[in-house]
Amino acid sequence: DAGVTQSPTHLIKTRGQQVTLRCSPKSGHDTVSWYQQALGQGPQFIFQYYEEEERQRGNFPDRFSGHQFPNYSSELNVNALLLGDSALYLCASSLSVGRPHLNEKLFFGSGTQLSVL
Amino acid sequence: AQSVTQLDSQVPVFEEAPVELRCNYSSSVSVYLFWYVQYPNQGLQLLLKYLSGSTLVESINGFEAEFNKSQTSFHLRKPSVHISDTAEYFCAVSDRSNDYKLSFGAGTTVTVRA
Repeated sequence: DAGVTQSPTHLIKTRGQQVTLRCSPKSGHDTVSWYQQALGQGPQFIFQYYEEEERQRGNFPDRFSGHQFPNYSSELNVNALLLGDSALYLCASSLSVGRPHLNEKLFFGSGTQLSVL
Repeated sequence: AQSVTQLDSQVPVFEEAPVELRCNYSSSVSVYLFWYVQYPNQGLQLLLKYLSGSTLVESINGFEAEFNKSQTSFHLRKPSVHISDTAEYFCAVSDRSNDYKLSFGAGTTVTVRA
């Protein structure tokens, strides 16, 4: 049973460019959340997708956008990259039934390390 | 608004010694508390959680944490660590005031030495 998979594992971009990160959720999961983990800090919630719609959003600018596909996989897009966007981007998946709002069964991928030069 | 403070950024410890990782949170409503572990080059894994009921919760690999409402703390302990416990540990909290979004602390790096 494959867990949460993210691609690519590493990425180098320059300021002003755009980037797309991809995530495939754990088999059977229908909800995907994205987190940004800057060096030396804990993960910060970016947004969550369910039924192909953004359900929750953290305190991130509109440069950060996402998409969820019918097969539940998801993309994170960041436009007009800034040096401060350099971070590990984590995807987490979960199942919407039960008590998803309690984050009890959140599975994380290994992340995409984005470096902005 | 909620926040999480992990008081120690780095904790070196010898193998078979006890370890305690401190976590304090701020929230004005009922909270749900979590500890996640991140091994090198891996994603975060849930270690244990407090949702309700007994204030002492345990993991399958010997860690335990106690919810202390009066001190707004959720410290993580293990009586005897192994080399394999070397990792980064994150405390996290969610509550209805923030629509149950997870808020993480900055993390504590535990390095176990022989």
